[in-house]
Amino acid sequence: GQQLNQSPQSMFIQEGEDVSMNCTSSSIFNTWLWYKQDPGEGPVLLIALYKAGELTSNGRLTAQFGITRKDSFLNISASIPSDVGIYFCAGQINSGGSNYKLTFGKGTLLTVNP
Amino acid sequence: DAGVIQSPRHEVTEMGQEVTLRCKPISGHNSLFWYRQTMMRGLELLIYFNNNVPIDDSGMPEDRFSAKMPNASFSTLKIQPSEPRDSAVYFCASTRLGQEQFFGPGTRLTVL
Repeated sequence: GQQLNQSPQSMFIQEGEDVSMNCTSSSIFNTWLWYKQDPGEGPVLLIALYKAGELTSNGRLTAQFGITRKDSFLNISASIPSDVGIYFCAGQINSGGSNYKLTFGKGTLLTVNP
Repeated sequence: DAGVIQSPRHEVTEMGQEVTLRCKPISGHNSLFWYRQTMMRGLELLIYFNNNVPIDDSGMPEDRFSAKMPNASFSTLKIQPSEPRDSAVYFCASTRLGQEQFFGPGTRLTVL
């Protein structure tokens, strides 16, 4: 099945720094998604990307859908302590009908030192 | 909107016992997903339903695992008999027509 390679596995940064993480795949996806998971909670969607080359922002977050449809990155600018958590990329192949499966990366654990 | 509701939030049981996890999707959502999260394997899709019908159960690890969705507002994931390697956080998520998946808070299962 499809696999997503997410990097880095973990990051330790100072408050105010910018952060970048990415995902690559050997398979093509039609949709790329970025989720954040806080301790003891389920993942929450941050950004969804639907077109190759698409660049989308959500506040301090910016994500891009790679031209080849096999990769995506997420940037966080001016990090703050509440950015702490695990960030997951997820790819979806919309093959029509009722196929809405997501494949998740292993996650990037972000720690922000105040 | 109450969001996806899962129960129990925590479950501790002994090896060999039956475990039943419950999920109530968001009202109006017609797709429901069961995931398992572990440190080693990350988030894995176990099974998903569309309009209460199981579409893909290829992620279900063994016959010990079974899932049902008797109606649009309720689903169960059952493990019988449970084993220590089943210890994980189990998430339920729901969506409407392939839009954003909303995750529940998860059930942390510990099998001793």
